[in-house]
Amino acid sequence: AQSVTQLGSHVSVSEGALVLLRCNYSSSVPPYLFWYVQYPNQGLQLLLKYTSAATLVKGINGFEAEFKKSETSFHLTKPSAHMSDAAEYFCAVNSGTYKYIFGTGTRLKVLA
Amino acid sequence: NAGVTQTPKFQVLKTGQSMTLQCAQDMNHNSMYWYRQDPGMGLRLIYYSASEGTTDKGEVPNGYNVSRLNKREFSLRLESAAPSQTSVYFCASSEAAPGYPGNTIYFGEGSWLTVV
Repeated sequence: AQSVTQLGSHVSVSEGALVLLRCNYSSSVPPYLFWYVQYPNQGLQLLLKYTSAATLVKGINGFEAEFKKSETSFHLTKPSAHMSDAAEYFCAVNSGTYKYIFGTGTRLKVLA
Repeated sequence: NAGVTQTPKFQVLKTGQSMTLQCAQDMNHNSMYWYRQDPGMGLRLIYYSASEGTTDKGEVPNGYNVSRLNKREFSLRLESAAPSQTSVYFCASSEAAPGYPGNTIYFGEGSWLTVV
């Protein structure tokens, strides 16, 4: 069975500080992992995805995520937060079935 | 570049009323999906369609029906709305089949539905 856990439903960082959003997964087979971003009153937009080609995945808007099998983690990072990064972020796992499992989301607040 | 378009964006219904959410994609994708998003629960799949003419139940199909009208359009119908169906609904599409490894889903902007 697959599952995704996002630690921290709300995260606040200062503008210019490191962004770290945590995602841990559970999957009985090699997973495909995704990060999506949702801006207020909008749909989900793909930030990046891991498909086993490389453990460090670079996405849009300066975000990246590292797949760590030993830790079953796929944390999202950005070196320097910008006000425009304020949004809700969702981690998702898919292991080759019709079913995507989405985490419950982490709302990022960027403080001036 | 429209992508996935949903209508209406906002709707208020009375308990027992019916309505249809419309969705269309212009990316020539084979697969389409309907999700609902509720606070603290992430996104849950209601129904999906792997190709024109086929539909399948997802995690939470009760109280909903769908129609894959053609390759572009996939509608979601609430026959008798209940307050528990108050939610944000997202239509989505993907080029590959739902079970294809690494399949990327593209989402519409959402429809906010309130049932009173």
